[in-house]
Amino acid sequence: EAQVTQNPRYLITVTGKKLTVTCSQNMNHEYMSWYRQDPGLGLRQIYYSMNVEVTDKGDVPEGYKVSRKEKRNFPLILESPSPNQTSLYFCASSSTYMPYNSPLHFGNGTRLTVT
Amino acid sequence: EDKVVQSPLSLVVHEGDTVTLNCSYEVTNFRSLLWYKQEKKAPTFLFMLTSSGIEKKSGRLSSILDKKELFSILNITATQTGDSAIYLCAVEEDAYNTDKLIFGTGTRLQVFP
Repeated sequence: EAQVTQNPRYLITVTGKKLTVTCSQNMNHEYMSWYRQDPGLGLRQIYYSMNVEVTDKGDVPEGYKVSRKEKRNFPLILESPSPNQTSLYFCASSSTYMPYNSPLHFGNGTRLTVT
Repeated sequence: EDKVVQSPLSLVVHEGDTVTLNCSYEVTNFRSLLWYKQEKKAPTFLFMLTSSGIEKKSGRLSSILDKKELFSILNITATQTGDSAIYLCAVEEDAYNTDKLIFGTGTRLQVFP
């Protein structure tokens, strides 16, 4: 089944403790992206990647890192999480680096709480 | 500043009602407008609209884009409880080296039996 898989689904952590949220897609998609979703603010892009070893900042990249060493994986790294990073995170992918050619496929989300 | 505004924020209806969800936008270089349905987890794709005045239809859902007035509507006829979800509108903008999706905050639809 074609899908975008994120892990974990839920994560509660403390301020400053490094964490990684994994994202993997099995559709051979070139484009991958991370979003956070907060009440009243909608989905905001954190980072995106147009292909292997090509990543770029989105609208809210501060406090996050990403890497794209393989086409299928696009992990999101929080080196020193803070409470304002408490949010619902989505990974998404599409078949080309121009999302207008094909709509984004989303993972099921990771709900992160930082205390 | 580029923005996408959805209205209403929330809607409560009974099964069988027809609803209209609105999405207006201001972006510099418009490419397309997309509608997604978000239930308890991942947003799932509904429609992509690029041309003005052409209706996209899928079962009881339909959508149309007006590029002159910069808005789109999503219609759901004969609503069912399974239509309860957040409906997201996103506008794709031709940005510097890739396209960018700008999301609205969504309309929460609740359909009661």
